Parts: sequence; C-alpha cells; structure tokens
Amino acid sequence: EAQVTQNPRYLITVTGKKLTVTCSQNMNHEYMSWYRQDPGLGLRQIYYSMNVEVTDKGDVPEGYKVSRKEKRNFPLILESPSPNQTSLYFCASSLSRRGITGELFFGEGSRLTVL
Amino acid sequence: GQQLNQSPQSMFIQEGEDVSMNCTSSSIFNTWLWYKQEPGEGPVLLIALYKAGELTSNGRLTAQFGITRKDSFLNISASIPSDVGIYFCAGDNAGGTSYGKLTFGQGTILTVHP
Repeated sequence: EAQVTQNPRYLITVTGKKLTVTCSQNMNHEYMSWYRQDPGLGLRQIYYSMNVEVTDKGDVPEGYKVSRKEKRNFPLILESPSPNQTSLYFCASSLSRRGITGELFFGEGSRLTVL
Repeated sequence: GQQLNQSPQSMFIQEGEDVSMNCTSSSIFNTWLWYKQEPGEGPVLLIALYKAGELTSNGRLTAQFGITRKDSFLNISASIPSDVGIYFCAGDNAGGTSYGKLTFGQGTILTVHP
C-alpha cells in the first residue's frame, strides 16, 4: 500500500530535549516536505527536499533541521524544542511529475507537545 | 512568504445544500490545488488545476483556476454528512522562483447537519 509513515504519532516532551520525528515513503517520490498545522494558520511549510542531499527552507524553518540521506526518508529534527513548537506536524511526498510538487501524499500526522 | 486568504473560515450548512469557498493571493501561482482533511488524518488531494481559467470537476466537487492566476474557488453540490472536514487551498509555483515551495490557505471548516 502506498503510504507516508510518520513516527511517533504522539509525543509529549520537555523544553530542550532533542527529538526526531521520522518520515518514510514507499512510493519512490523525489520530493518530500514537512508542515506544521496550527489553528487559524493552516499548514505552513518548514523544510522541503527536491531530491536526495537537496534540502531547502520553507516559510518557518527556525528551530528545525532536516536531512535527506536516502530517497525514502526525511526526518525532522528539533535540537532544542521549545513550547512554541507544540503543534501538529505532517510529512508529505510528491512524485514531482512535470515539476509540479504540490500533488502531495500526506502522512497521518505527529502531534507534539513541548512542556 | 506568499500568503493565501481563504474564505469563509467556517461554514455550517444543512445536508443537501451547495457550498462555495474561495482563495485569493497577492501573487500569481502556476498551479492551484484543493485538499480535504478529515479529523485525525492528513490532508488528501481533491482537485489540481494547471491552467488559468481551467474548470475541473471531481464528482460533486467543481474547482476553477482564476483567470488572473491569483484566485481559485471550490464548489460542493448537494452536500452530505461525509463532506465534513477542513478544506485547504494551496498554490504551487512549479518552475518559478519559489520552486518546491507550496503555500496553503488557512482552511475552511465545513460542518454538515443531517
């Protein structure tokens, strides 16, 4: 089954404790991206990757890191989480057909709470 | 970054009614997309629009890519309870200076009363 898998789905942590949210897709997609969803703000792009070893900042990259060492995986790293990073996070991927990256498949989301 | 203004923010309708929502931008996009998010799940792509003026249907859903490339609308006809969810518009600038960056609207929360 074609899917984007995120882990963990739920996490409560404390300020400053490094954490990683993993993302894996099994569709051989070139493009992957991370979003955070907050009430009233919609989905905001954190980082994206056009292909292996190529990553770029989205609209809200501060406090986050990513890596793309393999095509299928795109982990999101919070080196020193703060309460304002409490949010619902989504990973998504796209075939990038004809260069269009917006036809996204989303994971089920990871709800992160930072105390 | 670019901003999309989506309206209305929420809608409460009766089953069987038609629904209309729209999205406007201060800058142009090459592609407009509409997604639906059901509770506890990630967004799912409903319709993608690739050309200014394009009108596309998917079952009871119809979407249009505005002629100015700065707006799009989504219509749902004869709503049913399973239409409940959050609807998002998104703009993509494939091939443009913001290649790879996708901008989403704030979302429209749709509630359908049986």
